[in-house]
Amino acid sequence: GENVEQHPSTLSVQEGDSAVIKCTYSDSASNYFPWYKQELGKGPQLIIDIRSNVGEKKDQRIAVTLNKTAKHFSLHITETQPEDSAVYFCAARSGGSYIPTFGRGTSLIVHP
Amino acid sequence: KAGVTQTPRYLIKTRGQQVTLSCSPISGHRSVSWYQQTPGQGLQFLFEYFSETQRNKGNFPGRFSGRQFSNSRSEMNVSTLELGDSALYLCASRPPFRTRYIGHQPQHFGDGTRLSIL
Repeated sequence: GENVEQHPSTLSVQEGDSAVIKCTYSDSASNYFPWYKQELGKGPQLIIDIRSNVGEKKDQRIAVTLNKTAKHFSLHITETQPEDSAVYFCAARSGGSYIPTFGRGTSLIVHP
Repeated sequence: KAGVTQTPRYLIKTRGQQVTLSCSPISGHRSVSWYQQTPGQGLQFLFEYFSETQRNKGNFPGRFSGRQFSNSRSEMNVSTLELGDSALYLCASRPPFRTRYIGHQPQHFGDGTRLSIL
């Protein structure tokens, strides 16, 4: 089955800095890669996703890049704000399954 | 549109008891998945239901079971509770597939039920 590795487990940045979270996946058949943000006491919320036929996608301060050859994808947050502090999860969904496999999560802390 | 609703939000049980958790998906969503979230193991898939049928199952013991009703609402049951079952249980629903991007529809999560076993 699919295996997703996520790094780092904790990321601490100053407000205004950029943050990058990286994930690798094992199944070359994976074709859909969502990212979720989970705030304290809440469930994960989708923030951006990318399909395997696209190399990059942006939504305001958030961008995701995908390198299918290397089987890794990354989340980029620019101009970080304290409200960006949360746990971020990457996921990969194989073409043979409708169930995504999640990374272990990255705790992002943005210091004012 | 209302989001995924899970009840109760918090639950305290003792070892050996059983528990039933409830999930109401977003209106129009027929697929419901359940996950267990713990600090040590992250998000682990339990099972998925679609049109009242279990379609996928994760690697959990038979003490964990679920069902889905005709209105797409789902329940999850855990019998003979163990201390290790303490976790946040998340439910997620997914919109119907679009022909062009089958499998690319994101899951929408509820806020979970926090289950504590004493």
